Amino acid sequence: AQSVTQLGSHVSVSEGALVLLRCNYSSSVPPYLFWYVQYPNQGLQLLLKYTTGATLVKGINGFEAEFKKSETSFHLTKPSAHMSDAAEYFCAVRSQGGSEKLVFGKGTKLTVNP
Amino acid sequence: DTAVSQTPKYLVTQMGNDKSIKCEQNLGHDTMYWYKQDSKKFLKIMFSYNNKELIINETVPNRFSPKSPDKAHLNLHINSLELGDSAVYFCASSQDLRSGTQYFGPGTRLLVL
Repeated sequence: AQSVTQLGSHVSVSEGALVLLRCNYSSSVPPYLFWYVQYPNQGLQLLLKYTTGATLVKGINGFEAEFKKSETSFHLTKPSAHMSDAAEYFCAVRSQGGSEKLVFGKGTKLTVNP
Repeated sequence: DTAVSQTPKYLVTQMGNDKSIKCEQNLGHDTMYWYKQDSKKFLKIMFSYNNKELIINETVPNRFSPKSPDKAHLNLHINSLELGDSAVYFCASSQDLRSGTQYFGPGTRLLVL
């Protein structure tokens, strides 16, 4: 069975500071990994995904994430936070070639302070 | 031209009523999903359909019945609504069963009084 753990349900940063949102996964088979963002009262939007190949993945809005198999991690980063980044972020996993089910973490709420 | 649309956006109803939520995608995708997001923002899959065929049914009470009249539509009917059904329900679609990328609708906020 797959699972996702997002460390820190709330993260607060200053505008211009580094954003680091942590995600660890558990999967018995090679995973596909995703980060989604949810702005208030909206649906989820894909930020980036890892399937195979390059382990450093770049997404929209300046975000990137690195797949580290040895650490079973897929942390999301952005060098400089912007006020518009304030949102809920979800990490998700599904198995390659296996169940099509996407398993989500519990989310991390990012607050950006001026 | 919204890719995945849901109606209604808000739904307030009394316990015991029956209600339906509709979802349509214009992306030409084969696979559609229903998710439930609870008050703590936890997202859990409820159902998935591929080409109108039920693929996933995640231990959801049988008061919930999905229906896919064609592969662009996936509706969710809920009988005998309970207080615990209050949540945000999201529809999503993906190219096919193998594609990991899912595209989400804006959500339907259901409040059961």
